[in-house]
Amino acid sequence: DQQVKQNSPSLSVQEGRISILNCDYTNSMFDYFLWYKKYPAEGPTFLISISSIKDKNEDGRFTVFLNKSAKHLSLHIVPSQPGDSAVYFCAASRYNTDKLIFGTGTRLQVFP
Amino acid sequence: DTEVTQTPKHLVMGMTNKKSLKCEQHMGHRAMYWYKQKAKKPPELMFVYSYEKLSINESVPSRFSPECPNSSLLNLHLHALQPEDSALYLCASSQVVLVANNPKNIQYFGAGTRLSVL
Repeated sequence: DQQVKQNSPSLSVQEGRISILNCDYTNSMFDYFLWYKKYPAEGPTFLISISSIKDKNEDGRFTVFLNKSAKHLSLHIVPSQPGDSAVYFCAASRYNTDKLIFGTGTRLQVFP
Repeated sequence: DTEVTQTPKHLVMGMTNKKSLKCEQHMGHRAMYWYKQKAKKPPELMFVYSYEKLSINESVPSRFSPECPNSSLLNLHLHALQPEDSALYLCASSQVVLVANNPKNIQYFGAGTRLSVL
């Protein structure tokens, strides 16, 4: 039972344009969401997070939007850069637990 | 500084070998984790230590044995593994942040150990 899903396995975007990565979840008990970036042969790197009490969080080029009614979140990267090419995982957690549930990942390729 | 250090980076072992993976963090994080990641799959949680005590075991086979000698170190002892256990093993530690007075965990990952079981 995949509680966190990223339905697009890959995304290709031109440098300078916006990248939008999507994530859906099924468990309404999730209240904290995170995005991680992963390069080959490295561990996931934390990017940005959002609590369920908010609908938007911004950090530089990265913005995460949360739509609780749709159980959907998205990561916007603008402007996209070639160094952003990586696999992006969304993850979710429930209140007062240490457990993160990861999505299946989306491979982003930013081309010149 | 959000560094989690894992050693070794690569490990090849036979099915009868005993080996250990090591993880270290000096950020004062109170929780540490082991994950397993297969190719093109998300990380899967194996174990969680909170305040040096095992708090979560995700029904992992006993051939994987975690150990937390102190708050900065986490080991994963391996014995009699199978070829299907070949994977990237990731360690993480978590920082607690307060969001609207509610504690939330942000996990920081090491680079992983690439394990091959022959």
